[in-house]
Amino acid sequence: AQSVTQLDSHVSVSEGTPVLLRCNYSSSYSPSLFWYVQHPNKGLQLLLKYTSAATLVKGINGFEAEFKKSETSFHLTKPSAHMSDAAEYFCVVIPRDAGKSTFGDGTTLTVKP
Amino acid sequence: DAGVTQSPTHLIKTRGQQVTLRCSPKSGHDTVSWYQQALGQGPQFIFQYYEEEERQRGNFPDRFSGHQFPNYSSELNVNALLLGDSALYLCASSRGGPLTSYEQYFGPGTRLTVT
Repeated sequence: AQSVTQLDSHVSVSEGTPVLLRCNYSSSYSPSLFWYVQHPNKGLQLLLKYTSAATLVKGINGFEAEFKKSETSFHLTKPSAHMSDAAEYFCVVIPRDAGKSTFGDGTTLTVKP
Repeated sequence: DAGVTQSPTHLIKTRGQQVTLRCSPKSGHDTVSWYQQALGQGPQFIFQYYEEEERQRGNFPDRFSGHQFPNYSSELNVNALLLGDSALYLCASSRGGPLTSYEQYFGPGTRLTVT
């Protein structure tokens, strides 16, 4: 069985400041991990993925995430927030030999001017 | 290159009715997964189709069924609709079936309202 916990339901930052969205996971098998973003009235867009290569993963729009097996975490970061980053963010785990995706409940990111 | 497309965009049904939602995967993709996203929640995995067979299933009742066609497109059917079935239904496509470390591409969704 697997689960995903996004530790903050809402995160608010000022434009130009760093972003940290936290995700912890549990999985019976070695997982693949993903972050998706959902803008209002738009579809889910893949930000980045971890599939057992480098533990520090770079994604689109300046986002990156670090896979920490010992902490079972996959936190999403960005050095400097932009107004266009305001959206809902989802952490997703897929066990490598199972295929069932499990989404977290999401984190709403607000960016203040 | 067209991405994942879904139809219809919106749908209103009455309790007890049946509904069919449709999905065309991204070009080159052969695997389709369906999700239910209730308001304010993350998407919940319903099932996945690969090679025209259901390969994985989440915790959804048998009222939820599906089909995949030879051209890889897919349908989601829900029978005996309940008010709780009101949600955004998302289709995602990928390559290689359930046992690959794949990335999924999502469609815009179908908003189903049950009254």
